[in-house]
Order: sequence, then C-alpha cells, then structure tokens
Amino acid sequence: DTAVSQTPKYLVTQMGNDKSIKCEQNLGHDTMYWYKQDSKKFLKIMFSYNNKELIINETVPNRFSPKSPDKAHLNLHINSLELGDSAVYFCASSPGDRSYEQYFGPGTRLTVT
Amino acid sequence: QQQVKQSPQSLIVQKGGISIINCAYENTAFDYFPWYQQFPGKGPALLIAIRPDVSEKKEGRFTISFNKSAKQFSLHIMDSQPGDSATYFCAASGDRGSTLGRLYFGRGTQLTVWP
Repeated sequence: DTAVSQTPKYLVTQMGNDKSIKCEQNLGHDTMYWYKQDSKKFLKIMFSYNNKELIINETVPNRFSPKSPDKAHLNLHINSLELGDSAVYFCASSPGDRSYEQYFGPGTRLTVT
Repeated sequence: QQQVKQSPQSLIVQKGGISIINCAYENTAFDYFPWYQQFPGKGPALLIAIRPDVSEKKEGRFTISFNKSAKQFSLHIMDSQPGDSATYFCAASGDRGSTLGRLYFGRGTQLTVWP
C-alpha cells in the first residue's frame, strides 16, 4: 500500500548510457513531480505534471525527458548519462490545489561511473 | 537565486534541548510555508505547515513561528530526541505567478540530537 513508489532504488551505470526511472502514486493526486537531490542535500525541482500535462520544466538538459502515460505514473528517461547526473532522484505527488502538500517516493540513487 | 534562505546548515543539540531552525523569504506571493523532515535513505515527508495569517502553529513538540513583517519563519523542536535527528527543509509555495503549483525549498539543516 505504498503511496508513492519508484523503481529502481539504486541504479549504477556508465557514462553515455540511457536509463529510465519509473514512478507510480496510488493517492489519486493530480500533480506529480521529479526532483534532483545533490550530494549537499539540495532539492531541485526538475519537472511537474498536472493530469498528464507538463506544467513546470526547469532549466534541465534536454537529455532528461519525462513521460506521463496517465496521472498515476510519471517516468524519467535520461539519455547519454554524464558523471554530473549522479544524484538521488525523487518523485513526488500532490493534490492539484495543494502543491505545498507533497508526498515523496523513497528515491532512486543514480551513480554514473 | 535562492528564494528561501535557511540557517543553520547543521545543528547539534543535547537530548531534551530546543532545536531552532530559521528561514527567510522575499517573495510576498508565497502564502503557505511547510516544513519537511528527511531521514537518511528516505524521501522528505511533510512535518508541519503554516499560513501567513497565523503567527504560530504547534503540533506536539514541533512549533512553527511566523513573522510576516520580517518575512521570516522558524521551526522549534521542544524536548529534542535522538529520533529527531534528520535533515529539515523549510519551503514556501504560492497561488499565483511563478509560485503557483510549486514548492521552493531551503537548503536544509542537518539536525543531530545527542543522547
């Protein structure tokens, strides 16, 4: 009965590879997010979707492409991985009218070697 | 540009003491100020939140104090316990313009409570 789930939990890959992270929420929320947390714990928003529509697209390299097949799922695909992409990536969701009330997934630790 | 500034970066408190984390903002479009708690290896979780029309909100040992004129708010953890050791993030969101539909996070405070 996990509210926001992500797979995989850990991802180790080499530079230049392409990888995907999947996220699912069973809270019935309208809005989903992707965040990047660096080694200093800074949380930076990357994307936000509301009912499958892209709402927020921060200054993120276009190697990162989110996809929302339905409002319960938000996946993140990363092309041509670089060393600087190593971080923990969090998916989150919130009710459409309460963006301050976000529920985070357990995170995916991406290590690029 | 950091929209929400948080201090201190790290805090060490004795068990039973009071932990205080401070945040400041500039954008008057913000109208909701939540605090998130993150344990190692976990995602952040909403702890407590306040609106600017209230000067204080208390939930158990956690209290938010809000000073609208100074554009500052703080989290007080009374009777701090080792189980409170975590990273705390203040945040802000609004209902218009660039603040709509998103949270702006502070840079986090690593709290360690010694037994």
